[in-house]
Amino acid sequence: TQLLEQSPQFLSIQEGENLTVYCNSSSVFSSLQWYRQEPGEGPVLLVTVVTGGEVKKLKRLTFQFGDARKDSSLHITAAQPGDTGLYLCAGGETSGSRLTFGEGTQLTVNP
Amino acid sequence: GAVVSQHPSRVICKSGTSVKIECRSLDFQATTMFWYRQFPKQSLMLMATSNEGSKATYEQGVEKDKFLINHASLTLSTLTVTSAHPEDSSFYICSARDPFGGAYEQYFGPGTRLTVT
Repeated sequence: TQLLEQSPQFLSIQEGENLTVYCNSSSVFSSLQWYRQEPGEGPVLLVTVVTGGEVKKLKRLTFQFGDARKDSSLHITAAQPGDTGLYLCAGGETSGSRLTFGEGTQLTVNP
Repeated sequence: GAVVSQHPSRVICKSGTSVKIECRSLDFQATTMFWYRQFPKQSLMLMATSNEGSKATYEQGVEKDKFLINHASLTLSTLTVTSAHPEDSSFYICSARDPFGGAYEQYFGPGTRLTVT
């Protein structure tokens, strides 16, 4: 069974600060996805990375897939209260297969 | 983008009764759907993979006779919690793959909050 370790589990910062969330595994994944979930709702897909070393940017969010496809990071610049939520990384073993989820990072951005 | 709906969004039932939750892909056909369970402040736990026209594949530790899954069409999968108990209270979320979309993405429904009294 492949496992994904996500850190930190909880993060509380002030508006305007930068932050990085990490997702690590000893296993290789064919893809790595990041989701954001708000209370009482389903996860919303933010990005999918599939190539080792790949970097994707989505406004203030920067996603990176490790060269060996075992780890990933999510960096948020100048965080805003609207960024508050549960961030989940999920690794896919092969195309179309089930996803392995990390434990999640609960981010709170205080105004 | 791909849209997945769930019904109901919230349900309260008495212990011993059965509850059915529907998961629909609204603008695409999904040969594979997934059912997850999520406890407060925790991540998602995969319960089973639902394949259209065939039996579901359950994860280790998930009772297939208690959590009945039916994927009768390319746009609908149902999860029935049979003889529900208070410990079955949880947030149930489904997801679906769009076979003609990205090769890896899963699109999630809004979830169903089940409370068993």
